[in-house]
Amino acid sequence: GAGVSQSPSNKVTEKGKDVELRCDPISGHTALYWYRQSLGQGLEFLIYFQGNSAPDKSGLPSDRFSAERTGGSVSTLTIQRTQQEDSAVYLCASGVAVVYEQYFGPGTRLTVT
Amino acid sequence: AQKVTQAQTEISVVEKEDVTLDCVYETRDTTYYLFWYKQPPSGELVFLIRRNSFDEQNEISGRYSWNFQKSTSSFNFTITASQVVDSAVYFCALSSFNTNAGKSTFGDGTTLTVKP
Repeated sequence: GAGVSQSPSNKVTEKGKDVELRCDPISGHTALYWYRQSLGQGLEFLIYFQGNSAPDKSGLPSDRFSAERTGGSVSTLTIQRTQQEDSAVYLCASGVAVVYEQYFGPGTRLTVT
Repeated sequence: AQKVTQAQTEISVVEKEDVTLDCVYETRDTTYYLFWYKQPPSGELVFLIRRNSFDEQNEISGRYSWNFQKSTSSFNFTITASQVVDSAVYFCALSSFNTNAGKSTFGDGTTLTVKP
């Protein structure tokens, strides 16, 4: 079956612009996560959605970052007024439930110039 | 609190050598799950295995094997007869229902380079 998909695969934007990153999880997966991975670094948790519950936003680095999940499926991560330090690969993952394994998408490489 | 330690930042081996990636975890929960993920140079993280805390039986899948020992809080990953295609960053992770709202805690990863 189809895996997790993310778009765009690459995004170059100017400092100060807003960007939207999209994630399509595996059908039927109720858990959806966003992570950030800087070059050569580990995974930085950003936000987590589980079904219709309020999202866990504990990892968002600033109020410039927000995310939503519509209809329990597609998710969009929005970064407002982008800064150069936002440059990273943004990974989305989905799973059948929070404690179980996660299936990752290919990521969106964001470059802020 | 939960913690996952992958003390080996980088490992380099020559093809056909066996290599073990270490993972040590900390948790106060009695029921938990352990995972290994692989991130090849292409960048996409791939789930490899999940183990439950109540099942210490070792697992083998082809050239891959996992050694889970609760006594030492370790979940080590061994690749037998390594190949160039095994070159990747490997992440160990831990989750439990009662900590961190069930979210996984990831280690910092071990970069494995297999040279021909």
